[in-house]
Amino acid sequence: QQQVKQSPQSLIVQKGGIPIINCAYENTAFDYFPWYQQFPGKGPALLIAIRPDVSEKKEGRFTISFNKSAKQFSLHIMDSQPGDSATYFCAAGTSGSARQLTFGSGTQLTVLP
Amino acid sequence: GAVVSQHPSRVICKSGTSVKIECRSLDFQATTMFWYRQFPKQSLMLMATSNEGSKATYEQGVEKDKFLINHASLTLSTLTVTSAHPEDSSFYICSARRLPYEQYFGPGTRLTVT
Repeated sequence: QQQVKQSPQSLIVQKGGIPIINCAYENTAFDYFPWYQQFPGKGPALLIAIRPDVSEKKEGRFTISFNKSAKQFSLHIMDSQPGDSATYFCAAGTSGSARQLTFGSGTQLTVLP
Repeated sequence: GAVVSQHPSRVICKSGTSVKIECRSLDFQATTMFWYRQFPKQSLMLMATSNEGSKATYEQGVEKDKFLINHASLTLSTLTVTSAHPEDSSFYICSARRLPYEQYFGPGTRLTVT
């Protein structure tokens, strides 16, 4: 019940395309859903996060869509650039406690020039 | 976003020696920090949860006597790999939790044990 399932494992798009990464969870206690971006040899960087009281959140070219009833959320990257090539992790957590985040398995995104 | 630093970024040590890795939250206080290990092309594997002023909580399968964690202040947690062996070579990443939600990661430490 603690799992977060992420797909696809890898994704290749052309520059300007809109890659979409999907995540699904089971635990209804989760109320915080962040996305992290990680470049090789670096730590993950918090990209954008959403709480279940909204269905969509945009920050720059990054958008999270959230479907509470389906227990799914996704990351969309608008006008993708080669510099967006990285590994993306979704995660889920419970606010207000010291419990750790549960991470997805990661998606390796390649944006071709 | 908040800043979490990690030191050293890379370390090479000989088998049997101990290595200490520091994790600092630079612009916020973190009562809880986490230590992860990451293998190439894999997700983050939580090793332990570090709570300020109390003992760390280790995940199943992680040897607490080998991976010593100390969270002596609200901005500093350390991970000491004792009697390191080549199989301990990995990428170690810490994170600090800023309540109520966000978790910020350090840049990671590449440990190589020869």
